[in-house]
Formats: sequence, structure tokens, C-alpha cells
Amino acid sequence: DAKTTQPNSMESNEEEPVHLPCNHSTISGTDYIHWYRQLPSQGPEYVIHGLTSNVNNRMASLAIAEDRKSSTLILHRATLRDAAVYYCIPSGDNYGQNFVFGPGTRLSVLP
Amino acid sequence: NAGVTQTPKFQVLKTGQSMTLQCAQDMNHNSMYWYRQDPGMGLRLIYYSASEGTTDKGEVPNGYNVSRLNKREFSLRLESAAPSQTSVYFCASSEVLRQLNEKLFFGSGTQLSVL
Repeated sequence: DAKTTQPNSMESNEEEPVHLPCNHSTISGTDYIHWYRQLPSQGPEYVIHGLTSNVNNRMASLAIAEDRKSSTLILHRATLRDAAVYYCIPSGDNYGQNFVFGPGTRLSVLP
Repeated sequence: NAGVTQTPKFQVLKTGQSMTLQCAQDMNHNSMYWYRQDPGMGLRLIYYSASEGTTDKGEVPNGYNVSRLNKREFSLRLESAAPSQTSVYFCASSEVLRQLNEKLFFGSGTQLSVL
């Protein structure tokens, strides 16, 4: 299973962009890179995922390095509601066992 | 849409008591999962069910049993609760069993305290 490294915490000002990094140097060629976030007192929610190309949706953008050993989740304009723990999860084909939520990055958004 | 519904939201047990956490999804998903989350940590998979009628162990199954009652419902049972099982429990579902690009949908959790 691919191991990930994320900063324990990050801070951002409201309405500024936020770049959340993730290293996954042991990722396999078929693993997708998923990002979930967990708001306080809630279950995790899906944010975005990708394989090789950069991806955009209404919540965020995902930039994937050419060698796929790292990725960056981009929140274009942080809001107070974006304060959460963000999890980067490479997902392979070891069904059930391998979708591992590590400690993630706790993002604080300052008004 | 309700999505994934968990009951109860809070529960306090005494050591040795038993209880069942309930989970239901209304998205017609085939696969369902139970996770636990301890303070300051990520989620750990307890059990999962690829489809109705099947269940498999995850990373931390000891002390738990599960039942996939039907396609909608997946319950988690603690037969003899221990303080080490104090945690927040999350149920999740997905359309199929963790395909490479599948999404998980989570419930809002059950806060369980075992005294």
C-alpha cells in the first residue's frame, strides 16, 4: 500500500488560496489519488480524485505531479467552512483494507 | 436525500454491556463499511461488506461482529464492550467495493463511551 505524508496542520486567511500538499512516493501506477475532508463533528466527505491529469470540480482542484509521487489539493478561495482535516488517500486494488485514512492535515482558516 | 443514516448518535455503556450500532443507506449502494476514529487519529476499517450476504474483516475487527441485514442495512455489534472501544464510529457506503475511482459516502457518526 502506498504511504502518504501530509503536514500535520496548515493555516490560511479567508478568501485566499490554499495549497495542501501530499507526498505518496510509493504509489503504484494504477492507484487513484483521493482527497476527503472531515468537518468538525462530521463524517468525512469526498472532495476530489484523479489518476494522472489535473482535475477540477466545484469544491477544489487537484494538481498531480508528473511522476505521480506527490499531489496538491487547491482550494481557490478559502472560506471559514473549509476549516477541516484533509486526507490524501492513494487507492489501489487491495479491496477493503487499503483505503487508509491517515492523520491528515488540519486546516485552520482565519477571518 | 438522507444518504447514510447512523443510530444512535451518542451512547454510553458500562464495561461488559452489549449493543448494536445501526446503519442504513438509501443510495442503493452495494458495499458498506464500518470505521472507528480515535482522538487525533485517522479512520481505521473494522469490517466491510462487499455486497448483500457477504462480510469481511478490516484492520481492527477484534471485539466486533457485523450483520448485513439487507442491501440497505449494515449493523455493528459489540458483544462485551471494553473501554478500549471508546471511539467515534462511522458507517460508509459505496456503489461497488472500493473500485479504484469509487467514492465513499459517510454517515455523521456515533460517539460511543465505554466506562
